[in-house]
Amino acid sequence: QVQLQESGPGLVKPSGTLSLTCAVSGGSISSSNWWSWVRQPPGKGLEWIGEIYHSGSTNYNPSLKSRVTISVDKSKNQFSLKLSSVTAADTAVYYCARVLCRYSGYGLPLCYFDYWGQGTLVTVSS
Amino acid sequence: DIQMTQSPSSLSASVGDRVTITCRASQSISSYLNWYQQKPGKAPKLLIYAASSLQSGVPSRFSGSGSGTDFTLTISSLQPEDFATYYCQQSYSTPSFGPGTKVDIK
Repeated sequence: QVQLQESGPGLVKPSGTLSLTCAVSGGSISSSNWWSWVRQPPGKGLEWIGEIYHSGSTNYNPSLKSRVTISVDKSKNQFSLKLSSVTAADTAVYYCARVLCRYSGYGLPLCYFDYWGQGTLVTVSS
Repeated sequence: DIQMTQSPSSLSASVGDRVTITCRASQSISSYLNWYQQKPGKAPKLLIYAASSLQSGVPSRFSGSGSGTDFTLTISSLQPEDFATYYCQQSYSTPSFGPGTKVDIK
């Protein structure tokens, strides 16, 4: 059973950098999966931030791309998120999740978030 | 960007009711559509992937259908543990979620 656990500061100052880590247990981060970050502002919906493969390949949400960096540490079986120049609008619960993709041999792979961390609230405030 | 909409935004239902939630994509996404359930203070849970495939361990009262731009999540007989918010998500391009449908007790 794969488990994911987010960690990092719960309070970040405006214009600062939000940094979170997701520790993966019960499975290897070097498996054939992507690893993703999703956030949810209080009382609002879900927003995909980006994803990383164990090779270091990344994909980011275009709306956040200029401020986001996702990295992987295979030796620690974890991946991390950095979001720079934060404002109050970045206050949210941040989730890490595993992306499982099924390849049929034709067309795009079918991908979905099958395992999630419990989430961690990050507040941007002075 | 592919925009996802859901209707209704909320609904009230009773235990045993049949509940249907609709999700619409701004362009065709074939069957690249997933459904999640989220309870307050908890992470989302995958229910349905590829529009109609039931995730392992999810009760069979949940079902999904549709392709192209219009999709449906159906709960055949609502149970007390099903009161939650439901999100659709497309994986055809940059992942995006619908705004959610909150199901509460009538």
